[in-house]
Amino acid sequence: DVKVTQSSRYLVKRTGEKVFLECVQDMDHENMFWYRQDPGLGLRLIYFSYDVKMKEKGDIPEGYSVSREKKERFSLILESASTNQTSMYLCASSLSGGGGEQYFGPGTRLTVT
Amino acid sequence: GENVEQHPSTLSVQEGDSAVIKCTYSDSASNYFPWYKQELGKRPQLIIDIRSNVGEKKDQRIAVTLNKTAKHFSLHITETQPEDSAVYFCAASTNQGGKLIFGQGTELSVKP
Repeated sequence: DVKVTQSSRYLVKRTGEKVFLECVQDMDHENMFWYRQDPGLGLRLIYFSYDVKMKEKGDIPEGYSVSREKKERFSLILESASTNQTSMYLCASSLSGGGGEQYFGPGTRLTVT
Repeated sequence: GENVEQHPSTLSVQEGDSAVIKCTYSDSASNYFPWYKQELGKRPQLIIDIRSNVGEKKDQRIAVTLNKTAKHFSLHITETQPEDSAVYFCAASTNQGGKLIFGQGTELSVKP
């Protein structure tokens, strides 16, 4: 049974703070993804990674960076949090290649004040 | 890049009726089209998917159809039940690192 976990369910940060969101998967998946979910906008891809130390920009990478030092862990970093980054953040993983099921984490509800 | 449009944004049906959600995509190279269901407060989960070499796929009360020429695909739910109430997302992929582009979501409400 695939398990994708995220470090926090709820997080409150102040404008300008550096924020780290952690995601860990236990199924040896090569691909990992970070999305943000906002009402009416669906799931928008921020960054993804198809291998350790590899990263690719998604559709909305501005204001974010990522780190993948180990296969099972994919971190999303908000260098200087802003109020417009208040959102639900979802991590996902999948096997290598394309056309496969993505398994999602429970999400982190981030509020930036 | 790929763009996926999903309609309607909200859908309300009576229990037992059918529900249809439609998506269009822009990249003719897309070849994988999954549908995810997200219940309130829970994570999205895959419910059905279809590949570009197939026109239709069924799994009990749900089915997905694909029209490659028109670049659209649809989710059909028959005999809807209150537990079908959720947000449904379509997505498209060209197999680039497993990347999916999602539609905006449809909030389905099934009234008893």
